[in-house]
Amino acid sequence: GAVVSQHPSWVICKSGTSVKIECRSLDFQATTMFWYRQFPKQSLMLMATSNEGSKATYEQGVEKDKFLINHASLTLSTLTVTSAHPEDSSFYICSARDRSGNQPQHFGDGTRLSIL
Amino acid sequence: GEDVEQSLFLSVREGDSSVINCTYTDSSSTYLYWYKQEPGAGLQLLTYIFSNMDMKQDQRLTVLLNKKDKHLSLRIADTQTGDSAIYFCAERAWEGTALIFGKGTTLSVSS
Repeated sequence: GAVVSQHPSWVICKSGTSVKIECRSLDFQATTMFWYRQFPKQSLMLMATSNEGSKATYEQGVEKDKFLINHASLTLSTLTVTSAHPEDSSFYICSARDRSGNQPQHFGDGTRLSIL
Repeated sequence: GEDVEQSLFLSVREGDSSVINCTYTDSSSTYLYWYKQEPGAGLQLLTYIFSNMDMKQDQRLTVLLNKKDKHLSLRIADTQTGDSAIYFCAERAWEGTALIFGKGTTLSVSS
């Protein structure tokens, strides 16, 4: 079945560091990928929609200069948390939609980001 | 805007059936999904149903959709301890749009 790979799975770094998270669709082409954020014991909150070859669409309240998204190919989207601070600590999950559009979204295993 | 509501907790005994309920507000929802999340892990797609269907069965899982009441349920037959997890209901209105998730139902299965 469709597989989405997310890397790294866990990051611990110092405040002020920038962190890049990769999301890859392994066996299908994804024109659209979605980035979600999940706080402990809470639901997933959509941060942005990443479109291949164009600028990402950010949800209200999400700082685009803070969370840089690049979707350079049909199989890879990256989320860079710039100058991360402790309040950015969270679980970040990406999902990808098959190019045909009729399949359900498949999710990566998530990246746990801890900023000290 | 769209909203998806779920009860937060459900506790059952091993071997019993579990029923997790979900309500949604967007009448234009075309696909409705159930995902499972184990501690520290990503989301695993369990099943989904198209809005023109009333029911879908897949092994131990049965999904019922009442479109009039905008109510979705997931029944897990013969619940096992390995089914303990958080279950998210999600809906999608149009092709290419992101999923709208409920807050998740924590299922606890005791032996």
